[in-house]
Amino acid sequence: DAGITQSPRYKITETGRQVTLMCHQTWSHSYMFWYRQDLGHGLRLIYYSAAADITDKGEVPDGYVVSRSKTENFPLTLESATRSQTSVYFCASSEFGLLVPGEAFFGQGTRLTVV
Amino acid sequence: TQLLEQSPQFLSIQEGENLTVYCNSSSVFSSLQWYRQEPGEGPVLLVTVVTGGEVKKLKRLTFQFGDARKDSSLHITAAQPGDTGLYLCAGGVQKAAGNKLTFGGGTRVLVKP
Repeated sequence: DAGITQSPRYKITETGRQVTLMCHQTWSHSYMFWYRQDLGHGLRLIYYSAAADITDKGEVPDGYVVSRSKTENFPLTLESATRSQTSVYFCASSEFGLLVPGEAFFGQGTRLTVV
Repeated sequence: TQLLEQSPQFLSIQEGENLTVYCNSSSVFSSLQWYRQEPGEGPVLLVTVVTGGEVKKLKRLTFQFGDARKDSSLHITAAQPGDTGLYLCAGGVQKAAGNKLTFGGGTRVLVKP
């Protein structure tokens, strides 16, 4: 199916464990983004990628690692999970024109709880 | 602190009333987008405004981009319960590694029947 999918949808992990959230898109969009959304708040950018093998930090990158070896995949890894990383994580993909962002398409989100 | 500040954070109104949500920044943006998010879902794009002073209408929703391209507003006329949701503004910031799409803190709108 076309679209953007995140997995898993729900995850409970223990403090100190490594966990990877997966994101896959089928549109071949050049841009992909990872955001976290805490209860009742907006989206904060963790990392973004303009193309395969090009990634950059967003507003809150500490404790997270990303890679983008293929255009369609953009996994997010929490190297050593902490309780403060309990959140809902959204992946998005988009195309950018010269200066104007195209529509960002979001996955369904991954609800991560760190205990 | 977020690059884009939204106000108010929460708005509760009765069906039929009007409302306005604001998105402000000290930075100039080449364009701004507005998204709406419903519980358990990802945000969905409503509109992109590009030109300073631009006004776009989408049925009962009116979007305006400030002349200086630092602020934007969303006005809903005769709100309905279906307008309930989290409204988010977003702007593209050009960096050496590409463009990052950054969001405001959101305005939660509740329209009561």
